[in-house]
Amino acid sequence: DAGITQSPRHKVTETGTPVTLRCHQTENHRYMYWYRQDPGHGLRLIHYSYGVKDTDKGEVSDGYSVSRSKTEDFLLTLESATSSQTSVYFCAISGVNTEAFFGQGTRLTVV
Amino acid sequence: AQRVTQPEKLLSVFKGAPVELKCNYSYSGSPELFWYVQYSRQRLQLLLRHISRESIKGFTADLNKGETSFHLKKPFAQEEDSAMYYCALRAAGNKLTFGGGTRVLVKP
Repeated sequence: DAGITQSPRHKVTETGTPVTLRCHQTENHRYMYWYRQDPGHGLRLIHYSYGVKDTDKGEVSDGYSVSRSKTEDFLLTLESATSSQTSVYFCAISGVNTEAFFGQGTRLTVV
Repeated sequence: AQRVTQPEKLLSVFKGAPVELKCNYSYSGSPELFWYVQYSRQRLQLLLRHISRESIKGFTADLNKGETSFHLKKPFAQEEDSAMYYCALRAAGNKLTFGGGTRVLVKP
């Protein structure tokens, strides 16, 4: 497996609290992505990064922010979690012409 | 804007029967298309990419630019093919967009 880890793997949080998910890679890949996976919606892109401090929005970016201060780490923050953000979150990495490699996912429950 | 559509949410077939998963895309540039698979309790992994034009686990997919499609096919489904399948498009800037996914259930 590609060197990509997500933390935490599971989290339960209360509505209105901030939450940060971490994606860490050891592959030195340029591109990193955050997706959410929901039944009936497949994988939807939240944000992605094309380099350190270079990020762009995906199709479902409202309520989420990201940061990438170094190549290895891509953080996803829910500023004020809502129940609609209950989901499974996947991080992915890729090089310029490589396939994307996925993390094992983070199951987030907002109660 | 890029978009990937997988019209079937669930495909149920018997072992040994052919299976075809449909994927249509919209993108104004030159796309790169992929199929990813997610087996139960495992992370997503690459199944096929159109530029390699190879067959993996008996699956093939052909990019049809005229019909903007990248359908996945296998002539004889096996029980171990039961999984969630995602079609994906990589656009300029490496932005990677997925379809809604198709769950395949192969019955014995």
